[in-house]
Amino acid sequence: AAGVIQSPRHLIKEKRETATLKCYPIPRHDTVYWYQQGPGQDPQFLISFYEKMQSDKGSIPDRFSAQQFSDYHSELNMSSLELGDSALYFCASSFGSWDYGYTFGSGTRLTVV
Amino acid sequence: KNEVEQSPQNLTAQEGEFITINCSYSVGISALHWLQQHPGGGIVSLFMLSSGKKKHGRLIATINIQEKHSSLHITASHPRDSAVYICAVRYDKVIFGPGTSLSVIP
Repeated sequence: AAGVIQSPRHLIKEKRETATLKCYPIPRHDTVYWYQQGPGQDPQFLISFYEKMQSDKGSIPDRFSAQQFSDYHSELNMSSLELGDSALYFCASSFGSWDYGYTFGSGTRLTVV
Repeated sequence: KNEVEQSPQNLTAQEGEFITINCSYSVGISALHWLQQHPGGGIVSLFMLSSGKKKHGRLIATINIQEKHSSLHITASHPRDSAVYICAVRYDKVIFGPGTSLSVIP
């Protein structure tokens, strides 16, 4: 069965650079969630989209932005990268609400040097 | 007080042992997820519960909505079960528990 696809799997960037992470939800899933997990920390909710509109916002820095496209894939854009942005970034998708078919991607490991 | 708590924080078991991980929460929720995260790896959703009990292979998850408590049981544990197990709940936002790090020794 198709899963949530994230790309790239690994990314190394320098300070002050920009990064774009992509998330392709399970087919027919219309909701995407982004999470950030720092080393040894719990995942922190960043932002979610439902039907291409922002549905919820968590602890997403102003330097980050995200959007969901017409094919329901989502991109997380991160600018002016800082060392503290190094983390594992997960996206998850569901159909309609978090309770239904909620599935995580494998994550993108971002390292800022 | 954290809204979602798990116990134990760390657990070491011998292969074959029966394992229980507990999750308690302090808010009214619509559903609870048990998640598994392997070292350096992605997160896998094991169960989504809103009531009662679910079983998948050697894994069993139960939830008591009135007591705001859920348990994840692993029967006949195996070294490949070694991972961090996280419970996550949603009321108006998603909250993750701190995780239980399980190590199963051969």
